[in-house]
Amino acid sequence: SQQGEEDPQALSIQEGENATMNCSYKTSINNLQWYRQNSGRGLVHLILIRSNEREKHSGRLRVTLDTSKKSSSLLITASRAADTASYFCATNPRGSQGNLIFGKGTKLSVKP
Amino acid sequence: AAGVIQSPRHLIKEKRETATLKCYPIPRHDTVYWYQQGPGQDPQFLISFYEKMQSDKGSIPDRFSAQQFSDYHSELNMSSLELGDSALYFCASSLRITLGTVAFFGQGTRLTVV
Repeated sequence: SQQGEEDPQALSIQEGENATMNCSYKTSINNLQWYRQNSGRGLVHLILIRSNEREKHSGRLRVTLDTSKKSSSLLITASRAADTASYFCATNPRGSQGNLIFGKGTKLSVKP
Repeated sequence: AAGVIQSPRHLIKEKRETATLKCYPIPRHDTVYWYQQGPGQDPQFLISFYEKMQSDKGSIPDRFSAQQFSDYHSELNMSSLELGDSALYFCASSLRITLGTVAFFGQGTRLTVV
């Protein structure tokens, strides 16, 4: 079954605003990762949060994980036009050998 | 730093033809993953290899096969191509999985079946 359903599907904000994307998943996980993809390009790893962690920061990124609700959020602060991309959460299911189950993604558009 | 290299970057095939996609992982990475991303879709896990042995299997059709060679590069072979196989195919590599290992993705091969 599909994991990592994300909302919103699309988000349009002004430069300088914060962007929050949410992700839900269905099974137990080892970790949850967020990736960024520019249109038709490769996936770039942003941040990884382990199942025993609740919050993690990396630059302008803040990720939270609530394993009781099987959900995660990605916050991008002080957004820039260059942040325009699709953002995917991906879970590494417990018992797997490292493969990732991706969500549907959020298409973020940051207007200058 | 070296990244994951995929070739070709673009490929156009006709229905019922075969295609071979190649992936060269980051040096010293021992695990390779293949993903398929249809237009407007999320990436779907196909198959993975660790130390040249199949490790995990996802939603890979029977018409597809893959292997990892002694130099750790991997090939995805696709036969009897269908229009629905048109997609972006990603390869990713990582070190042997411990909790929290990150997979690094290549730029992908865009396959168009006409």
